Formats: sequence, C-alpha cells, structure tokens
Amino acid sequence: AQSVTQLDSHVSVSEGTPVLLRCNYSSSYSPSLFWYVQHPNKGLQLLLKYTSAATLVKGINGFEAEFKKSETSFHLTKPSAHMSDAAEYFCVVSGFTHALNFGKGTSLLVTP
Amino acid sequence: DVKVTQSSRYLVKRTGEKVFLECVQDMDHENMFWYRQDPGLGLRLIYFSYDVKMKEKGDIPEGYSVSREKKERFSLILESASTNQTSMYLCASSPRAGSYTFGSGTRLTVV
Repeated sequence: AQSVTQLDSHVSVSEGTPVLLRCNYSSSYSPSLFWYVQHPNKGLQLLLKYTSAATLVKGINGFEAEFKKSETSFHLTKPSAHMSDAAEYFCVVSGFTHALNFGKGTSLLVTP
Repeated sequence: DVKVTQSSRYLVKRTGEKVFLECVQDMDHENMFWYRQDPGLGLRLIYFSYDVKMKEKGDIPEGYSVSREKKERFSLILESASTNQTSMYLCASSPRAGSYTFGSGTRLTVV
C-alpha cells in the first residue's frame, strides 16, 4: 500500500521568504508523486509530478520538489513566497492501482 | 481540454434519502474515481473504476455504491444518506497511465 504523510498541517511564512512544505511517502513500488494546490473555493490544480525521471522536479509558479529515496521524502519548495501562494497544498502518491492517495493537506499562510 | 463534469455544484438532501451524484468525462478515459474531501482529512478515495461495469473499493466505501454502465459516466450512490456524509465530493478521470482531471466538486449537505 502507498501513503503520504504531510508533516505540517499549517505553515506560515512572510512574503518574499522561502517556502518549505514537507512530505514523506511510503510505497511498496516505485511511486509516482504529485503536489496539488487548492485555492479557497477553487478546484485542484496540479503543481508538479515525479515519475522516476529527474529527481528534482520543477512545477508551475516557481515551485519545485526533490525526490529523495533514501529519506522517502518529496518536499515542496519555493524560493520566495507570494501572497497568491496562500492555499491548501496536497502531497499525493500513486502506485500500483493508479488511484491517487492524498495527504491530509498543509495550509499555507503568507503574511505581508 | 478534458472536461469532467459533475451534475450539481450544491445539493441538500434529507437523512435516509437515496442520493445520486453524477460524473461525466468527455475524453474516453478508462479510469474514473470518486473522492470525498473534508477539512483536515484531505481527499479520501471512495470507489474507482478501470472500465465499464468494473468497480473497486477505495479506502472508505461504507455507505456508498457506484455504477458505471457507460465509459463516460460514473455515478456515486448514497443508499441512505446520513449526516456524516455531508461533504465535498470530487470526481476524477484519467487514461490508463496519464494525468488526472478533477471535476469542480459537489458540495452535499445532508440534513
């Protein structure tokens, strides 16, 4: 079975400072990993995905994530937060069944 | 663009009613999924389907059933709605090995 654990339910950063959202995964197979974002009252949007190619994955809006097999981690980062980044972020794993397994989410607050 | 359409954006039903949530996709995707989203719990998989007339239980299938009579349509059925099924329901589809597309969701309130 595959699962993800998002280590922080809430993260608060100041505008212009780096963002780090942490995610650990568990999978019996070589996993596909994703980060999705959901802005208030909006649908889910794919930020980036890892599918066993390059371990550093670049996504939209300046986000990137690094797959670290030795640490079973897939943390999401951005060098400089913008007010528009405030949203709920989900780390997601897909394995053998192709169904997506979501983490519980991290709410990112960006303060001026 | 692939579209996944959920028939209702908001729905209010009474306890004990039988509820149908409809999802239609227009890109001939093999896989379809139903999730529910609750604050602090993320999205949890209820049921999924790999093909017409095929279904698999997800993590929380109790109190739900599904129907997939046609490839483009995947229905979620609440046999006897209860207040703890008040939630946001999201449908998704994907090809056999490819990207997912999510619908915009149905916010169901059971009173």
